[in-house]
This record gives sequence, structure tokens and C-alpha cells, in this order.
Amino acid sequence: KQEVTQIPAALSVPEGENLVLNCSFTDSAIYNLQWFRQDPGKGLTSLLLIQSSQREQTSGRLNASLDKSSGRSTLYIAASQPGDSATYLCAPTYGNNRLAFGKGNQVVVIP
Amino acid sequence: DAGVTQSPTHLIKTRGQQVTLRCSPKSGHDTVSWYQQALGQGPQFIFQYYEEEERQRGNFPDRFSGHQFPNYSSELNVNALLLGDSALYLCASSFTGVVGYTFGSGTRLTVV
Repeated sequence: KQEVTQIPAALSVPEGENLVLNCSFTDSAIYNLQWFRQDPGKGLTSLLLIQSSQREQTSGRLNASLDKSSGRSTLYIAASQPGDSATYLCAPTYGNNRLAFGKGNQVVVIP
Repeated sequence: DAGVTQSPTHLIKTRGQQVTLRCSPKSGHDTVSWYQQALGQGPQFIFQYYEEEERQRGNFPDRFSGHQFPNYSSELNVNALLLGDSALYLCASSFTGVVGYTFGSGTRLTVV
């Protein structure tokens, strides 16, 4: 079974601190992995996509790493801002072309 | 360029009723996937449509059915609604051979 675990489930940090969100997946036979952001009651916004052959991907203050062999990915958000408050979802894509999701990391950035 | 469009945004139904949700994929995308997200949970895969055929299906009962039209838009139908069907239903589109998915804003279904 393709299970995804995200730790911590929830965290609160003061504005300006760096965020580290962890994702682990049981089946390492992934094609790629996407990180999404979800605001309460809203849809998913794609943040970063890492191909299985890549080690990391960067976009602005966001950096995602991937260790496929150990089944882990980490999302780093530098210099957090109140607008970063949201739930972050990690989703590996498998050969059956479907995404597997964890429950997410719920982030609150305190001004 | 419009992204993925879902309608309606919210609806309330009574147990036992039937509901149809709609999705228009992002321009240029030909594959549509549907996900169910219960409160506090991650999205769960329902099924995926490509070339008007259901290509694969998650662990959902036959009460959940779908359709894809020639213009790639899609519908999700749920029959005999249960209270447990209350969730946010998300549609995601992609283009065959190109990685990455684009999600819509979802339809919030409440069954009372």
C-alpha cells in the first residue's frame, strides 16, 4: 500500500523563522513528487515538482529535496511570513499515474 | 489562461439523493482525476478519465461514477448519498506525457 506520512502534523512559528516540513512514503517507486499548498476549504496550489531523478527543486523562498531511495522529501520555507500559513501536502506520483497524499503539515506563522 | 474550473462550489443534499459535480480541465489538458477530501484528511483518489474512458479507479463503491466528454470536461456522479460522503471533492487535470497536476478549487458537498 502506498502510504504517505507528514511530520509534524501541525506547527506554529514566529514570523521570520525557517520552516522544515517532512514527508515520508512507503513505496519508493515514484515517478515524481509534488508539494501543494491548501488554504482552509480551498483547492490545491502546486508549489514544486521534483522528478524522481532530481535531488532538489527551488522556487523563491521554497526548496524541496527528495531522497527517493529512503522514501523521504523535505520542504524548506525560508524566512516565513504570515501569508505562508496554510496546510502543505506532499504527493508522490506512482506508475499508475495517481497521486498519493498524506494528511498534510498545518502551518501557522505568527506575526 | 483559465485553470481547472469546478461547479458548483457548494451544495447541500439529503441522504439517499443523487448529485452531479462538474469539472472543466485546464486548457490543453486531456486527463481528469477526481479526489475526495474529508475534513482533516488528505485527498483520496476516486478515479481517472482519459479519452472518455475510466482508466483507473480507487477504493470507492460503485455509487461513485463518472464521465468524460469529447471536450475533456468531466462529471462525477454519486448515487444514494450517505452522510459519510460529505467532503470536498477535487478535480485535477493533466496532459498525457507531461508531469504534474493542476487542481480546481473543489466542490464542498454536505449531506444532511
